Amino acid sequence: DQQVKQNSPSLSVQEGRISILNCDYTNSMFDYFLWYKKYPAEGPTFLISISSIKDKNEDGRFTVFLNKSAKHLSLHIVPSQPGDSAVYFCAASAVISGAGSYQLTFGKGTKLSVIP
Amino acid sequence: NAGVMQNPRHLVRRRGQEARLRCSPMKGHSHVYWYRQLPEEGLKFMVYLQKENIIDESGMPKERFSAEFPKEGPSILRIQQVVRGDSAAYFCASTVLEYTDTQYFGPGTRLTVL
Repeated sequence: DQQVKQNSPSLSVQEGRISILNCDYTNSMFDYFLWYKKYPAEGPTFLISISSIKDKNEDGRFTVFLNKSAKHLSLHIVPSQPGDSAVYFCAASAVISGAGSYQLTFGKGTKLSVIP
Repeated sequence: NAGVMQNPRHLVRRRGQEARLRCSPMKGHSHVYWYRQLPEEGLKFMVYLQKENIIDESGMPKERFSAEFPKEGPSILRIQQVVRGDSAAYFCASTVLEYTDTQYFGPGTRLTVL
């Protein structure tokens, strides 16, 4: 039972355009969400996070949107750059609710390719 | 400021041997998580440890797998009598406090079982 789903295995975007990566979750106990970026043969690198009390968080070119009623979040990258090409993982945990031990539940990832 | 360190980066074992994976958290971090990533999959939680204490091992297979985080030294993930299905990338992450979820990951250990 996949509690965090990234339904698009891959995405190609032209350099300078917007990249939108989507993530859906099913567990209503999740209240903290993170995006990680991963290059081959490296560990995931933290990008941006959002708690359930917010619906938007912005950091430079990266913005995460959370729609709690739809159990959906998205990561926007504007403008996209070739160096953004990587696999992006959505992750969720139950921090505020205290359910579990703050373990992260990951989606399967979306491979983003930014074409120069 | 060194990040999370893991060694070895690559480990090859034959079926039935033991695998030991080491993780040194970021300086000042006293909470360690281990995750496993199978090919084409996301990372799956295995175990959460504090110094000298296992907090949550609900993601660990019941047999052959164990983890520790001693008072001194790195955290160790130990897999006894490895099988081909154990081949995966094993990542550890560390946090400074238990209630922050910005987990910082190491580069991983890629285990191959022949």
